Amino acid sequence: AQSVTQPDIHITVSEGASLELRCNYSYGATPYLFWYVQSPGQGLQLLLKYFSGDTLVQGIKGFEAEFKRSQSSFNLRKPSVHWSDAAEYFCAANPGAGGTSYGKLTFGQGTILTVHP
Amino acid sequence: DGGITQSPKYLFRKEGQNVTLSCEQNLNHDAMYWYRQDPGQGLRLIYYSQIVNDFQKGDIAEGYSVSREKKESFPLTVTSAQKNPTAFYLCASSPVVTGTDTQYFGPGTRLTVL
Repeated sequence: AQSVTQPDIHITVSEGASLELRCNYSYGATPYLFWYVQSPGQGLQLLLKYFSGDTLVQGIKGFEAEFKRSQSSFNLRKPSVHWSDAAEYFCAANPGAGGTSYGKLTFGQGTILTVHP
Repeated sequence: DGGITQSPKYLFRKEGQNVTLSCEQNLNHDAMYWYRQDPGQGLRLIYYSQIVNDFQKGDIAEGYSVSREKKESFPLTVTSAQKNPTAFYLCASSPVVTGTDTQYFGPGTRLTVL
């Protein structure tokens, strides 16, 4: 079955430290991949997305993600975290072009990020 | 400003009552979606619609119903058949239903069934 896994439920970092949030996917072929961020009680905002090409993707708010086919991973990174980055982060995937389920996003369980001053 | 509005932000209902959640978008998007969010479970797709007067079940459609009579509106009814309706409900839209289109999310409605 197609799935997206975020192994870390909760991560705590100090402000100014680097950040890496993990995401692994299980699909027959390489899916399209997304990272979203959600502030408490709010909707989701897209940070970045990967379809093909360059495996290092730049997003908004200084975030980047690297696609690694050999590891079925799409980890989110930020070199220096700000207190305003505290939120919940979701990795998501869809099967890509073609088929009956294209466009349907499957989400990971989410990772809550806490930032200490 | 273009965007997606969901109303109300908080909704309380008694057990056994049907309740309808509103979702409106002025982005001129063809596709619209409803997700349910529970703590630690991410988002799960309830229904989606690619075009007016057409919609498909998602992964957890039981106990829910939708309609798509207008392009900009996609209301969700939580029926009394839904066993555990208390959750955060998110509506989204995208230009069309393709793999590459970004889904844009509304602010959500938190439903509590007493």
